[in-house]
Amino acid sequence: DGGITQSPKYLFRKEGQNVTLSCEQNLNHDAMYWYRQDPGQGLRLIYYSQIVNDFQKGDIAEGYSVSREKKESFPLTVTSAQKNPTAFYLCASSIERGRLGNYGYTFGSGTRLTVV
Amino acid sequence: DQQVKQNSPSLSVQEGRISILNCDYTNSMFDYFLWYKKYPAEGPTFLISISSIKDKNEDGRFTVFLNKSAKHLSLHIVPSQPGDSAVYFCAAHDTGGGNKLTFGTGTQLKVEL
Repeated sequence: DGGITQSPKYLFRKEGQNVTLSCEQNLNHDAMYWYRQDPGQGLRLIYYSQIVNDFQKGDIAEGYSVSREKKESFPLTVTSAQKNPTAFYLCASSIERGRLGNYGYTFGSGTRLTVV
Repeated sequence: DQQVKQNSPSLSVQEGRISILNCDYTNSMFDYFLWYKKYPAEGPTFLISISSIKDKNEDGRFTVFLNKSAKHLSLHIVPSQPGDSAVYFCAAHDTGGGNKLTFGTGTQLKVEL
């Protein structure tokens, strides 16, 4: 079955450490996205990539970095520069660059990151 | 600047009655709107969508209405069921924004027995 896999589901990080969240999709989607969910703030876009080896900053990119070396993979690194990293992180994909498709995004099941 | 707003953070409805979730937007370049449903600790799942050239789209118990002049859309769920209890996000696509979606802040729906 095609889908998006995010791992791990729960992640604990000590202050000052970098941590990488994994996102893999086998839907053959060109575009991939990272969102962050905080209570009362909905989903906010961190980074997105419409094609391999290319990505753009979203609305809240500070303190985060991404790479897109393969079509299937779009890992997100939360760096020590991110002031408030505790949140629920969602990865998503959509079918084709420049096209959204009837269903918009397919989302992964999310990673809960907690700074301890 | 919140371009997509869901002003009701929560809504409580009795089972069998109608649930109406509202969404307002400010960007006149939005051409496609979607509703997603999200359970705790899970990713959102697609529910229903509507193009800006339409004013209504229906799928089973779910109907979305779009009022372009008022920049307002609503999701109606009839009849509401306990399994509908979730957070509902409204999302909008900008014609000039590639594939990006702008999400609202979500409305927590609780369907009570």
